Amino acid sequence: NAGVTQTPKFQVLKTGQSMTLQCAQDMNHNSMYWYRQDPGMGLRLIYYSASEGTTDKGEVPNGYNVSRLNKREFSLRLESAAPSQTSVYFCASSDPRGLDSTDTQYFGPGTRLTVL
Amino acid sequence: AQSVTQLDSHVSVSEGTPVLLRCNYSSSYSPSLFWYVQHPNKGLQLLLKYTSAATLVKGINGFEAEFKKSETSFHLTKPSAHMSDAAEYFCVVSEGATSGTYKYIFGTGTRLKVLA
Repeated sequence: NAGVTQTPKFQVLKTGQSMTLQCAQDMNHNSMYWYRQDPGMGLRLIYYSASEGTTDKGEVPNGYNVSRLNKREFSLRLESAAPSQTSVYFCASSDPRGLDSTDTQYFGPGTRLTVL
Repeated sequence: AQSVTQLDSHVSVSEGTPVLLRCNYSSSYSPSLFWYVQHPNKGLQLLLKYTSAATLVKGINGFEAEFKKSETSFHLTKPSAHMSDAAEYFCVVSEGATSGTYKYIFGTGTRLKVLA
């Protein structure tokens, strides 16, 4: 199993450009999450999806949109990138309603985004 | 609302000496608590998890943490540091979210440096 995968690994954008970060998991998890990591601030939740067909805002949703394409995939879109969105983005998944009933989250390797 | 405070942003230890990374939490009920490790330019790896089964939790790579309700603490320890332990460590509390899933609240991280 690959676990949680993210593409791309690195990206440089100019202010105003748009892009989509892709995330996929092969653990049959119901819940998926997008975080951003900035120095000295830990990880902050952008959006999450409790199950296929649902999405909810996290702590820092402004400037982002998400799509839960199917159970495996959860994408994050920046419509008009700003320098303040320079960050490392992590996707995660969990399965609180699965057989193990655990809230443990499993993380992807991250996407390092720079907005000039 | 729940919160997590990591009391030290940086900790330096000599190889072979004990490690103590401090975490205090705020929760209105018995929480799920986690420690994750992030090596440079990598994703997050679960070290250990507390879920009320036992107050002393053993994790991977010789780490353990003790849940102390009276002190609202969940400090991470290791008897003898190894060079490979140099990384950033995050204390996390889980809270219930909409749609029956859970959200993580991250501490701001502690960067551990191991001196030869």
